[in-house]
Amino acid sequence: GESVGLHLPTLSVQEGDNSIINCAYSNSASDYFIWYKQESGKGPQFIIDIRSNMDKRQGQRVTVLLNKTVKHLSLQIAATQPGDSAVYFCAGSSGSARQLTFGSGTQLTVLP
Amino acid sequence: EPEVTQTPSHQVTQMGQEVILRCVPISNHLYFYWYRQILGQKVEFLVSFYNNEISEKSEIFDDQFSVERPDGSNFTLKIRSTKLEDSAMYFCASSEARSTGELFFGEGSRLTVL
Repeated sequence: GESVGLHLPTLSVQEGDNSIINCAYSNSASDYFIWYKQESGKGPQFIIDIRSNMDKRQGQRVTVLLNKTVKHLSLQIAATQPGDSAVYFCAGSSGSARQLTFGSGTQLTVLP
Repeated sequence: EPEVTQTPSHQVTQMGQEVILRCVPISNHLYFYWYRQILGQKVEFLVSFYNNEISEKSEIFDDQFSVERPDGSNFTLKIRSTKLEDSAMYFCASSEARSTGELFFGEGSRLTVL
């Protein structure tokens, strides 16, 4: 089955620096990936998604990169702000299923 | 901005009791989901629901669980006889379409089973 995981459980960055959060997946059939942000006591909040026919997708201050060869994706946050402090999850699905498999999360802490 | 709303925000119950968690999905969405997150662990898929029937369910979603859309707006998760290990945050989500677009999550209902 699908397995999605993250490389680091925690990441601390200085305010204004760029953040890179990494994620690996095991199922070659996975073709849709989402990054979610979860603040304490709240539900997952959509950040950005990417389909397997793309290598890169950009949003506002965020970029997702997908490397299907090594089954790896990353979330880049530009000019990290205190409000970006949260747990970030990657999630994936395959085919027409919308059953998302979530990774274990990276706690991003933005230092002043 | 439209949002998924869940009630109650926190429920404490005794082991063996029935619990119903309620969700109001975004009004024009057609697909509905329940996920759960045990404290400190990953968010796990429970069930998806479309056209008044379950479309997918995980191994977690056993006979103790059921879902229902009793009217045009509510989507409920019932746990028939709660166990200690059912203690978790339960998230409802909805989406416009099955294979495209994002899932919108509610704020969650925290269930504590004593």
